Amino acid sequence: DAGITQSPRHKVTETGTPVTLRCHQTENHRYMYWYRQDPGHGLRLIHYSYGVKDTDKGEVSDGYSVSRSKTEDFLLTLESATSSQTSVYFCAISESAGRVTEAFFGQGTRLTVV
Amino acid sequence: GENVEQHPSTLSVQEGDSAVIKCTYSDSASNYFPWYKQELGKRPQLIIDIRSNVGEKKDQRIAVTLNKTAKHFSLHITETQPEDSAVYFCALKGMDSSYKLIFGSGTRLLVRP
Repeated sequence: DAGITQSPRHKVTETGTPVTLRCHQTENHRYMYWYRQDPGHGLRLIHYSYGVKDTDKGEVSDGYSVSRSKTEDFLLTLESATSSQTSVYFCAISESAGRVTEAFFGQGTRLTVV
Repeated sequence: GENVEQHPSTLSVQEGDSAVIKCTYSDSASNYFPWYKQELGKRPQLIIDIRSNVGEKKDQRIAVTLNKTAKHFSLHITETQPEDSAVYFCALKGMDSSYKLIFGSGTRLLVRP
């Protein structure tokens, strides 16, 4: 498996609190993605990064922010958690040195907002 | 922007039969079409992919076909086995510099012994 680790693996938090999820990779891949997975919706892209300090929005970015200060770390922050953000969050990485390549996923983080 | 629709949402087949899952997309500039398998409680993993300059690709019991004119691509699983039971996702990447990877909504495949 590619060296990609998500933390925490499980988290329960209260509505209105800030939450940060971390994705750490040891592959030196350029591209990193955050997805959320909900029944009936598949994997929906929240934000992605194409380099250090280079990020862009995905299809469901409202209520989320990201930061990438180092190649190996991509942080996802829920500024003020809501119950609608209860989900399983997956980080993915890929490298595209001139051609499109496979994306590898982390183990996922199950977040519950109560 | 890119959009991909996946059908069916659930599929039940008898062991040994074939299964076909189809995805349609809207952005004609899309050039990479992977398929992922996700077993219960696990992360999605790539099982096969195809690029826009190829019409078909096969790997043992799985194959993917691409029709760029009609903007659809399909996953074919032959001689299905119970261990093929999982959720399958199609995805695509566009030609633009964003390198966004967009997924379909998934198909839950059940192979009955």
